[in-house]
Amino acid sequence: DAGVIQSPRHEVTEMGQEVTLRCKPISGHNSLFWYRQTMMRGLELLIYFNNNVPIDDSGMPEDRFSAKMPNASFSTLKIQPSEPRDSAVYFCASSGGQGGTMTSPLHFGNGTRLTVT
Amino acid sequence: GNSVTQMEGPVTLSEEAFLTINCTYTATGYPSLFWYVQYPGEGLQLLLKATKADDKGSNKGFEATYRKETTSFHLEKGSVQVSDSAVYFCALSDPGGSYIPTFGRGTSLIVHP
Repeated sequence: DAGVIQSPRHEVTEMGQEVTLRCKPISGHNSLFWYRQTMMRGLELLIYFNNNVPIDDSGMPEDRFSAKMPNASFSTLKIQPSEPRDSAVYFCASSGGQGGTMTSPLHFGNGTRLTVT
Repeated sequence: GNSVTQMEGPVTLSEEAFLTINCTYTATGYPSLFWYVQYPGEGLQLLLKATKADDKGSNKGFEATYRKETTSFHLEKGSVQVSDSAVYFCALSDPGGSYIPTFGRGTSLIVHP
């Protein structure tokens, strides 16, 4: 099992540019989460998909952020236009059941460190 | 709503010292409880879990007991190693909350040789 795969590992971009982060969940998992981690705010849930359908996107900061899950094996998080305050580590996580149930805790990728200058 | 409160870090210990990281929670239902660990440059990974009152989760020498009466799930280890230096997150999953996990802020542990 390759685990959750995120790309790129690091992204440096200039303010105003579009940024696309990618995630491949563990095969067979039907829940996918995007998180953002910063020193100031800790770990924040951005959006949660179940069976490729967005269930809760209340954590998406603003319209500049969008996420898609076109199929069970791929998801993207897009920021357009990017701003310096978007600088953070973005994690994707997947689980095999309904969210974080006992038999299916979250499996995290290694994250994408985004720096917006 | 659901919430998880962890002790503020960093926690700094010498090797072989006893570790306790406190975690308390509020939940609308009967949650499952988790501890995750994050090593530098990596994502979070499950350390241990417990699903009902008085259950004890354990892994790699770490233990935590689900205490419903005190709504707590404190993490303990009898003798820490330098390699345990990481950030530890307490979390819950509540059926009443659509199973979306709620995480604490994380507690950084630094172990010196």
